[in-house]
Amino acid sequence: QKEVEQNSGPLSVPEGAIASLNCTYSDRGSQSFFWYRQYSGKSPELIMFIYSNGDKEDGRFTAQLNKASQYVSLLIRDSQPSDSATYLCARDSGGGADGLTFGKGTHLIIQP
Amino acid sequence: DAGVIQSPRHEVTEMGQEVTLRCKPISGHDYLFWYRQTMMRGLELLIYFNNNVPIDDSGMPEDRFSAKMPNASFSTLKIQPSEPRDSAVYFCASSRTSGYNEQFFGPGTRLTVL
Repeated sequence: QKEVEQNSGPLSVPEGAIASLNCTYSDRGSQSFFWYRQYSGKSPELIMFIYSNGDKEDGRFTAQLNKASQYVSLLIRDSQPSDSATYLCARDSGGGADGLTFGKGTHLIIQP
Repeated sequence: DAGVIQSPRHEVTEMGQEVTLRCKPISGHDYLFWYRQTMMRGLELLIYFNNNVPIDDSGMPEDRFSAKMPNASFSTLKIQPSEPRDSAVYFCASSRTSGYNEQFFGPGTRLTVL
């Protein structure tokens, strides 16, 4: 199966600290990876995507991709209570624009 | 700019009834996706279209489900007859060919089948 695996959490992080969210995938053909944030009762909101090995930074967020290890991560610096949400990791199939395969998400709690 | 629009936002129906969910993608986006989210199975792809043509419907659970996209600004997902196990949140998302497959989601339709 072409699965995406995430620890469901909850992951509890103190305000101001770095939150580290991890994701592994089984399909080596995957090319692009996406991180979505989903607040309770709301729709997924795209935070970042990454397709090259290494790091990609956008404000307080850094996505990391290691294709050899089939591992994707999202770091959130200076965590804020408003970052408390479920974070979904997703991958595409490597065939261009197509449907995404999602993990079940990690529930993140930022403690004030 | 308007995002993806879905209607209705909530739908409560009885088993056996027909349900139609509607979606308007972001203007200029040529890909449209239908997903379903449940606690047990998470977020799953049902079907997607490119330029109004269905490309992959392998995620459609059974023949009771059908989807159409008659034009670039409108798509429907129909369930007939509906069953309690169809209860879920149904999301529509859209993206454009020139991007990196970044998909933007609508607010979803929460379907409850009694």
